[in-house]
Amino acid sequence: DTGVSQDPRHKITKRGQNVTFRCDPISEHNRLYWYRQTLGQGPEFLTYFQNEAQLEKSRLLSDRFSAERPKGSFSTLEIQRTEQGDSAMYLCASSPRTSASGTSYEQYFGPGTRLTVT
Amino acid sequence: LAKTTQPISMDSYEGQEVNITCSHNNIATNDYITWYQQFPSQGPRFIIQGYKTKVTNEVASLFIPADRKSSTLSLPRVSLSDTAVYYCLVGGDSGGGADGLTFGKGTHLIIQP
Repeated sequence: DTGVSQDPRHKITKRGQNVTFRCDPISEHNRLYWYRQTLGQGPEFLTYFQNEAQLEKSRLLSDRFSAERPKGSFSTLEIQRTEQGDSAMYLCASSPRTSASGTSYEQYFGPGTRLTVT
Repeated sequence: LAKTTQPISMDSYEGQEVNITCSHNNIATNDYITWYQQFPSQGPRFIIQGYKTKVTNEVASLFIPADRKSSTLSLPRVSLSDTAVYYCLVGGDSGGGADGLTFGKGTHLIIQP
């Protein structure tokens, strides 16, 4: 059983550099989510895709963040001009189903990418 | 306003049943209630989901009263390995988009020997 995978698991970068993370969801899942989590806080929603379409972005997501899911399979999250406040765990999740009247929100999470900006 | 309210922390002992209650007074008609468990340095893990009444799986039970304004996650006979943060989420696609994807701070459950 292949779960959600994320690469890299850890990333240390200097302030001002660009970083890109990859997420490979469970193959039959059509929804993919990105979250950010800092110590002592719950995951904070960033954005989600249904297939290749980016359906929503958090209002908290600055212009330095961009995400893509070009073929409706894997996704990338890029952070440009990183700042120390970007240091966090970046989590990806995928969801197996949606419905017209309400999603199940049964999300399967990857192990996360821990970003440290020095 | 936070969409859900749950205790910040709880303590219990091995072998006990633990009940964690989540308040969601503004739940919408199409919203589901979902609980996740998270261990340090790992992504959250889906535990259980329900819409109304009672749902049970091999890990937990979820009790939802008729008004659906709260829900209770019940963990039977906990062990030390159940020490984790538990999150309650409420949401659906009923025009709210991703608004339901708010984890909050969760409940830090500590199980003692």
